[in-house]
Amino acid sequence: DVKLAESGGGLVKPGGSLRLSCEASGVTFSSSSMTWVRLAPGRGLEWVSYITSGSHYTYYADSVRGRFTISRDNTKNLLYLQMNSLKAEDTGIYYCARDLGQYGHLLDCWGQGTLVTVST
Amino acid sequence: QSALTQPASVSGSPGQSITISCTGTSTDVENYNLVSWYQHHPGKAPKLMIYDVTKRPSGVSNRFSGSKSGNTASLTISGLQTEDEADYYCCSFAGSSTFVLFGGGTKLTVL
Repeated sequence: DVKLAESGGGLVKPGGSLRLSCEASGVTFSSSSMTWVRLAPGRGLEWVSYITSGSHYTYYADSVRGRFTISRDNTKNLLYLQMNSLKAEDTGIYYCARDLGQYGHLLDCWGQGTLVTVST
Repeated sequence: QSALTQPASVSGSPGQSITISCTGTSTDVENYNLVSWYQHHPGKAPKLMIYDVTKRPSGVSNRFSGSKSGNTASLTISGLQTEDEADYYCCSFAGSSTFVLFGGGTKLTVL
């Protein structure tokens, strides 16, 4: 079975930083493009960022570009999301997901999510 | 990067059919056959129900079907069951600049 497990969430003050991790098992991680999606209170699912299998291409939502950085370590089956200059509106559950296609919309496997709360 | 537009809520009785719409623009839904639908039960991971407008992943009931006309995609659920009660989100590729958009989500209530 394919499994994804996020970690690294928590409570952080506005302006602070967090690094989320997503560990993959049971999947050929190194050949999979990966995505971060968040579920914000009252706002539904929001696509955050995407990285191709070999890290050649990365994409970001306008709302996080310049503050968040997606990366991966294929030797450790790990996906990361470095989040800097956090704002209250970044609060939510962050999910990592595998994209079976090349366009970020075919997310066939999701983790259970990790909660990020940005508050004073 | 505006979200795709979905109705906030829909409802139906067991056995009935419902359709959820997802309206985009000429730069996303209308321009690509790369629309997917996700079912989300609160507290659980979202689940892929439809991809590439009409395709169903293995294991998803054939009661779920997708379609598209112009800038609007639709998810139809036939023979409603109580376990279908969940939030449903559409998703579309939107070009290399915006990349991916989600809809605002639709809460399905099975009465």
